[in-house]
Amino acid sequence: DSGVTQTPKHLITATGQRVTLRCSPRSGDLSVYWYQQSLDQGLQFLIQYYNGEERAKGNILERFSAQQFPDLHSELNLSSLELGDSALYFCASRGPLAGGRGAKNIQYFGAGTRLSVL
Amino acid sequence: AQSVTQLDSQVPVFEEAPVELRCNYSSSVSVYLFWYVQYPNQGLQLLLKYLSGSTLVKGINGFEAEFNKSQTSFHLRKPSVHISDTAEYFCAVTHGSGSARQLTFGSGTQLTVLP
Repeated sequence: DSGVTQTPKHLITATGQRVTLRCSPRSGDLSVYWYQQSLDQGLQFLIQYYNGEERAKGNILERFSAQQFPDLHSELNLSSLELGDSALYFCASRGPLAGGRGAKNIQYFGAGTRLSVL
Repeated sequence: AQSVTQLDSQVPVFEEAPVELRCNYSSSVSVYLFWYVQYPNQGLQLLLKYLSGSTLVKGINGFEAEFNKSQTSFHLRKPSVHISDTAEYFCAVTHGSGSARQLTFGSGTQLTVLP
């Protein structure tokens, strides 16, 4: 168990809909990362938050947005869903910068949310 | 920009045989390197890491990897594989600094251990 919790595990929805994925990082971790894993694109970094603020953006579509709340959990919002958005969405958390070299460089992954858009 | 190349997308190997999964990275600065494993229908689990010190690092489940700076490689090895090692393996490298440091992943290698 990595200590990172993602809900729900599975999500089935229709095209055009909007969904919210939730992530709770490991206790004490300030950073949250979101990734998308699909057969054709592999593992793609979407966005990162650190202590409530956006820190880095990857290949995130404009239809997608995220935020990190004061209790450090994060939500990824996917709207106007298309068939191609079907994928596994992972959240990962990383330790604080004040930690050792390992703490601030190792990401721990949740079990993922499998999104199916029909 | 950082990049990671995993040279083999699929590696079939018989049980108890040795295996090497290859990973090359591009970077002009100091790097931290990782191997993650993803078992079917599960998330990514850290297998091992190179942060500093000895270039030969040992991980869980009998895996080890060697950091070779001159060849910019971080190949993963196991002397004798088991059926339970069947999984997808991802090599990754850190980049960025401060609170914005990130991981760049390779495209993955599917290791299939045959009986």
